[in-house]
This record gives sequence, structure tokens and C-alpha cells, in this order.
Amino acid sequence: AQKVTQAQTEISVVEKEDVTLDCVYETRDTTYYLFWYKQPPSGELVFLIRRNSFDEQNEISGRYSWNFQKSTSSFNFTITASQVVDSAVYFCALSPYNTNAGKSTFGDGTTLTVKP
Amino acid sequence: SQTIHQWPATLVQPVGSPLSLECTVEGTSNPNLYWYRQAAGRGLQLLFYSVGIGQISSEVPQNLSASRPQDRQFILSSKKLLLSDSGFYLCAWSPGSNTEAFFGQGTRLTVV
Repeated sequence: AQKVTQAQTEISVVEKEDVTLDCVYETRDTTYYLFWYKQPPSGELVFLIRRNSFDEQNEISGRYSWNFQKSTSSFNFTITASQVVDSAVYFCALSPYNTNAGKSTFGDGTTLTVKP
Repeated sequence: SQTIHQWPATLVQPVGSPLSLECTVEGTSNPNLYWYRQAAGRGLQLLFYSVGIGQISSEVPQNLSASRPQDRQFILSSKKLLLSDSGFYLCAWSPGSNTEAFFGQGTRLTVV
């Protein structure tokens, strides 16, 4: 069985602070995909990143960076110099390799509030 | 480019009434389609998925059903709504395996 844990239910920071959202997962699969999605107040989930389990290189995209550590089964997400527009619920998700990615197992999400 | 449309955005229905939520995808063929429900403050629960016309897989037993009458149309239905059916329903699609899913804007259903 798969499981994704986002232990931080809510995080509140002041604009320009850096913030890290934690994601820990459990799976028996040797190959799998990990995802992060953003859910702004409008409701739709927006895809942010996909990472496969055999590529442990960290990734940076603008103010966003992701740290994948297979040894600790973690896939953490850092926002540098946070902005008010970053306020949203962020979901981490896991899916086995070679399966429909829409069948991902989602964590319960972390609500990030960035105050001006 | 591909787009996904989901409607209505909000819906208030009495207990025992029927339900029909519709989702359509444009700009792609033979997408995998999904219905999720999101309870308040919780993650997403996969309800149904479909890999082709008329092919529906149910992930959890419930008071809901899904149908895929056309390649890019996915419908979520209920004959009689329960209070526990209230929630935020999201439709999503993916091109296939090993790819991310793309979500619609969701329907907030309140059963009263």
C-alpha cells in the first residue's frame, strides 16, 4: 500500500521568508513517480513538478526547489523569498511507475499562508 | 493546447435528489479521465477512473456512479444524494501512464 504524509497541516510565513513543505512517502514499489500540485483559492489543482524515483537530482525552477531523498523517502518543496501569491494548499502525490498518474495517492495537503 | 471544463462550479441539492456533474476535455484524444472528491481540509480521494469509452473503474464503494459516453466526456452521477456526498469534486485527465494529471476547476456540492 502507498501512503503520503504531509505532516505540516498549516504554515504561515511573512513575505520574503523561505519556507519548506515536507513530504514523506511509503511504497513497496522500486520505481515510482512523485508529484507536487498547488491548489490556489480558486480550487483547481495546478501541476508543479514530477520526479521519477531513479533520478535523485534536486531541481530548481525560479523560486521553487525540490529536494528528493530516496534514503529517507522524502520529497520536500522549498519556496524561496515567498510571495503573497504563493498562498495556497500544496499537495504531494505518489504513483507507481507505469500506471495511470491520475491514480496517484495524495497527501492531505499543507496550507501555506504568506502574509504581506 | 488541452483544456478541461467542469460544471457547474457550485451546486446545492436536497437530500434524495439526483446528481449529474459533467467534465469534458478538449485538444486531446483518448485521455485517461478521473473523478476525485476532496473533503474539507483533506487530500484527494480517487472515486472513478476511465481509460476509454464505456470503461469505468470504481476505487471506493459509494452512492455515486460514473459514465464515459464519449471519448472526452466524463459524467459523475447519483440517483439519490446523501448528506455525506457533500464535498469538492474534481475532474482530471492525463495523457497516459507516467504523466501528471491536469485538473478542472472543481464543483462544490452541498447536499442539504
